[in-house]
Amino acid sequence: SYEMTQPPSVSVSPGQTASITCSGDKLGDKYVCWYQQKAGQSPVLVIYQDTRRPSGIPDRFSGSNSGNTATLTVSGTQAMDEADYYCQAWDSSTARDVFGGGTKLTVL
Amino acid sequence: QLQLQESGPGLLKPSETLSLTCTVSGGSISGSSYYWGWIRQPPGKGLEWIGSVYYTGTTYYNPSLKSRVTISVDTSKNQFSLKLSSVTAADTAIHYCASRSGYSGFTWGQGTLVTVSS
Repeated sequence: SYEMTQPPSVSVSPGQTASITCSGDKLGDKYVCWYQQKAGQSPVLVIYQDTRRPSGIPDRFSGSNSGNTATLTVSGTQAMDEADYYCQAWDSSTARDVFGGGTKLTVL
Repeated sequence: QLQLQESGPGLLKPSETLSLTCTVSGGSISGSSYYWGWIRQPPGKGLEWIGSVYYTGTTYYNPSLKSRVTISVDTSKNQFSLKLSSVTAADTAIHYCASRSGYSGFTWGQGTLVTVSS
């Protein structure tokens, strides 16, 4: 079955850039979405189709996807960005949606 | 804009069947290119896709749960539902209903906690 791997945690200082990776076999051939989940809340879509931002998502959130790795970048990180982040993709070979294990972003 | 709301029992005993309903507002569940799905999250853990039903009626299930899961659509009520049989404590989780159109990412309900305990 298809798997996507994320680092369990990433730490960043306020105002700095945080990068969260998501790795999977030939992941660059799939469309990747990223979700932000704050404590006690439902996940919120922050990036879809690798690089696109839904309306209302700040432009400090950006995404890329190539080869075996997709990356969510948070520029000028703010305290409000502290949350769990999950990558997600549709694996057409097995006809299933797949989530990464999640990354806890800590803003120190 | 689509809104989704889960409903159903919050407490089950082992071996019972989990039944949840998701009510869709702000759009038709018969809308083309939409997937209607269920995703769960055990307390303190990550997200697990349970399965989805495409607007055509085709269903897709997580292989690890496939033998116990049924997802169906009721177009007359603009709802879709989840049934998970023979539950155990390992099925205790927040259950989210969600929808996506193509590769545009999931829109989520608020989630409902289902606890399995004797």
